[in-house]
Amino acid sequence: NAGVTQTPKFRILKIGQSMTLQCAQDMNHNYMYWYRQDPGMGLKLIYYSVGAGITDKGEVPNGYNVSRSTTEDFPLRLELAAPSQTSVYFCASSLQGYGDYTFGSGTRLTVV
Amino acid sequence: GESVGLHLPTLSVQEGDNSIINCAYSNSASDYFIWYKQESGKGPQFIIDIRSNMDKRQGQRVTVLLNKTVKHLSLQIAATQPGDSAVYFCADLYNNNDMRFGAGTRLTVKP
Repeated sequence: NAGVTQTPKFRILKIGQSMTLQCAQDMNHNYMYWYRQDPGMGLKLIYYSVGAGITDKGEVPNGYNVSRSTTEDFPLRLELAAPSQTSVYFCASSLQGYGDYTFGSGTRLTVV
Repeated sequence: GESVGLHLPTLSVQEGDNSIINCAYSNSASDYFIWYKQESGKGPQFIIDIRSNMDKRQGQRVTVLLNKTVKHLSLQIAATQPGDSAVYFCADLYNNNDMRFGAGTRLTVKP
């Protein structure tokens, strides 16, 4: 039981490049989330999903896209990377959709 | 907009002492609150939660207190240990599926 697995752990992108942050969970959780964490700040919700085929915007969705074709996977797509997207990205999943979140170990992204 | 926030960005305590980390929230409609612990290089880890129909909840060495009148909650850690050194976040459920996190308090435990 691996929990929530995020890849890659680190990435440097050039402005305008695209990439996909991968997130997978093996706990059969319906709820999945993407957060970003800027230095000295709390986590901000980018997108979430309440089940396969269903996604919705969070507090800071601009510049990102998600898909949820399976229960296990919830990739986050950056289409045109900007320096403002430099951050640490966390994926989380939840059984109940409340605070019982299990977080991945994060992806540290730098856009230069 | 509505927000949660912690009172102090850093807290230093002596090993064995009790720690108290405070948090204020602004959304009077929030009915569920959570404390998370984040160690360096890791994702946040759930510690304890409390619903708005309670004013106190205890876990193993941790207690959360909720004061709805002044929109304040606190996390108390008993007999703080070096392994408790981390950043602690409070969060409230802003609406269904939207947890709002505070900026965090970095707890340092001195031996």
